[in-house]
Amino acid sequence: EPEVTQTPSHQVTQMGQEVILRCVPISNHLYFYWYRQILGQKVEFLVSFYNNEISEKSEIFDDQFSVERPDGSNFTLKIRSTKLEDSAMYFCASRRDAGANIQYFGAGTRLSVL
Amino acid sequence: AQSVAQPEDQVNVAEGNPLTVKCTYSVSGNPYLFWYVQYPNRGLQFLLKYITGDNLVKGSYGFEAEFNKSQTSFHLKKPSALVSDSALYFCAVRDTSNNAGNMLTFGGGTRLMVKP
Repeated sequence: EPEVTQTPSHQVTQMGQEVILRCVPISNHLYFYWYRQILGQKVEFLVSFYNNEISEKSEIFDDQFSVERPDGSNFTLKIRSTKLEDSAMYFCASRRDAGANIQYFGAGTRLSVL
Repeated sequence: AQSVAQPEDQVNVAEGNPLTVKCTYSVSGNPYLFWYVQYPNRGLQFLLKYITGDNLVKGSYGFEAEFNKSQTSFHLKKPSALVSDSALYFCAVRDTSNNAGNMLTFGGGTRLMVKP
């Protein structure tokens, strides 16, 4: 069964450093998402991406965040200058098309900012 | 704004007994409702959804959920729990009103513990 894959599974970084979290969505999917879950809190929406542009973003997704689909398979989330409060589990998800309702999630990347 | 509440942090049930994991929601328009399950070190795995039609929806692994519009609830149920059902369960909603977007809003999760 096709899966959303995320790498790395765990990323440790120093405060102020840039990190890139990588995702490979399901191959025929068109809509892509990033969510995060701070330890002990809810899963929160960050951003959605369609047709090579951001379609929605939450208040969390400020200028420190960016997303990119650099080729036909990868979907990345970049945090330019990490803060301690960026420590969380980051989930990537994809959805097949506008008529499909299910978002399929990856296993997540745990980001630890020290 | 849309929101989801899962009032129980943890539900304990004996194997073979029925289980219920509760979820209530708040949206402006009509809801699309989802249940996801998370096993250790795994992603959020889709279980079932309600979009329209029958209020009782059936999903993977024998789970089902009942949409109740008047109570704004979408409780997850299973007639006979298995130890392997032990996991973290998330309820999510998508608000289909105009300008609501297509993101999911999640509840806080409920840990289901099934004991032999």
